[in-house]
Amino acid sequence: GENVEQHPSTLSVQEGDSAVIKCTYSDSASNYFPWYKQELGKRPQLIIDIRSNVGEKKDQRIAVTLNKTAKHFSLHITETQPEDSAVYFCAAVNYGGSQGNLIFGKGTKLSVKP
Amino acid sequence: DAGITQSPRYKITETGRQVTLMCHQTWSHSYMFWYRQDLGHGLRLIYYSAAADITDKGEVPDGYVVSRSKTENFPLTLESATRSQTSVYFCASRTGRGDTQYFGPGTRLTVL
Repeated sequence: GENVEQHPSTLSVQEGDSAVIKCTYSDSASNYFPWYKQELGKRPQLIIDIRSNVGEKKDQRIAVTLNKTAKHFSLHITETQPEDSAVYFCAAVNYGGSQGNLIFGKGTKLSVKP
Repeated sequence: DAGITQSPRYKITETGRQVTLMCHQTWSHSYMFWYRQDLGHGLRLIYYSAAADITDKGEVPDGYVVSRSKTENFPLTLESATRSQTSVYFCASRTGRGDTQYFGPGTRLTVL
């Protein structure tokens, strides 16, 4: 089955710097890759996603890149702000597979220092 | 987000007791899920349901029971709670394959 590795587990940056979180997946048939942000005590919320027919997607300060050959995808946050501090989860799924359930990485705790 | 709710939000129980966590969604989503979240493990799938009366095991189903008699409800029961089931439990739902998955607000369960 699918396995998703996420790095780093913790990341500390200064306000205004960029942050990059990387994930690798094992199932080459995976075709959907969402990123969730979870603030302390809150539910995970989708912030951006990418499908396997696209190499990059941007939404204001957030971008995701996908390298299907290497089976990895990354979240890029530019001009970080204190409110970006949260735990970020990547996930992967083959929606055409037998189960089609998201497999999550273990999360990255991002701290943005003012 | 208001379309998926969980109750109770906090629960303290004792080892051996039966506990039921409720999940309700108003979107008529076909798929519903139960996850547990523990430090260092991320989000692990317990059970899922593709439609009413259809349920299947996820990664960590032992000690849990689910049912789905109505599309909008997906209760999770711990038949005999153990301390290892102390966790935060999230319910989630989505319309179908390829669609965005939304999470409920979570239930923090403590088993003493």
